[in-house]
Amino acid sequence: GAVVSQHPSRVICKSGTSVKIECRSLDFQATTMFWYRQFPKKSLMLMATSNEGSKATYEQGVEKDKFLINHASLTLSTLTVTSAHPEDSSFYICSARNRDRDYNEQFFGPGTRLTVL
Amino acid sequence: GQNIDQPTEMTATEGAIVQINCTYQTSGFNGLFWYQQHAGEAPTFLSYNVLDGLEEKGRFSSFLSRSKGYSYLLLKELQMKDSASYLCAVLDSNYQLIWGAGTKLIIKP
Repeated sequence: GAVVSQHPSRVICKSGTSVKIECRSLDFQATTMFWYRQFPKKSLMLMATSNEGSKATYEQGVEKDKFLINHASLTLSTLTVTSAHPEDSSFYICSARNRDRDYNEQFFGPGTRLTVL
Repeated sequence: GQNIDQPTEMTATEGAIVQINCTYQTSGFNGLFWYQQHAGEAPTFLSYNVLDGLEEKGRFSSFLSRSKGYSYLLLKELQMKDSASYLCAVLDSNYQLIWGAGTKLIIKP
């Protein structure tokens, strides 16, 4: 299989605090992980591409100092939302690409619902 | 620019067949994916097409025509649990997934 976990599944925090979300590939090595954001009834919006051992590549309009991404190992990437504001409330989803697969399928984590009060 | 179009919402009857269309205009093409997403959950993989033609997998089939920039997902023998959003996504020349907005499928008894 190709299982991706995300933790926490839900988080509620106060405005101004920082929140860390973990994304783990449980049974495969993922050289590349992706972080998405999804608003209600909207499509997934790619925030950044995370490569193991190097800096993340952020999409246009995504603040790298606000959304800190660390891909420290082949099975773990973290997204830290710094100084969270209510407008950061959203559904955050990570995915991982299995480098041993023939094609570029992405396996998704279950998502993290962030609510900033 | 890059663009993927699919209908916003479709309704079908349990036991019937439904076809969800997707048209795309992207910078390069390295395959097209269909994902199913239930409300509040992450997408789950349904199919992948990189060559023209029909790929059948149980009750679900996916078709691709690269010359027309067109794909469809065909769902047969619809079940209530098939009520979900169906997302079309294209892998562009940079191997980034470009996502459609999704089609919400409502199944009625």
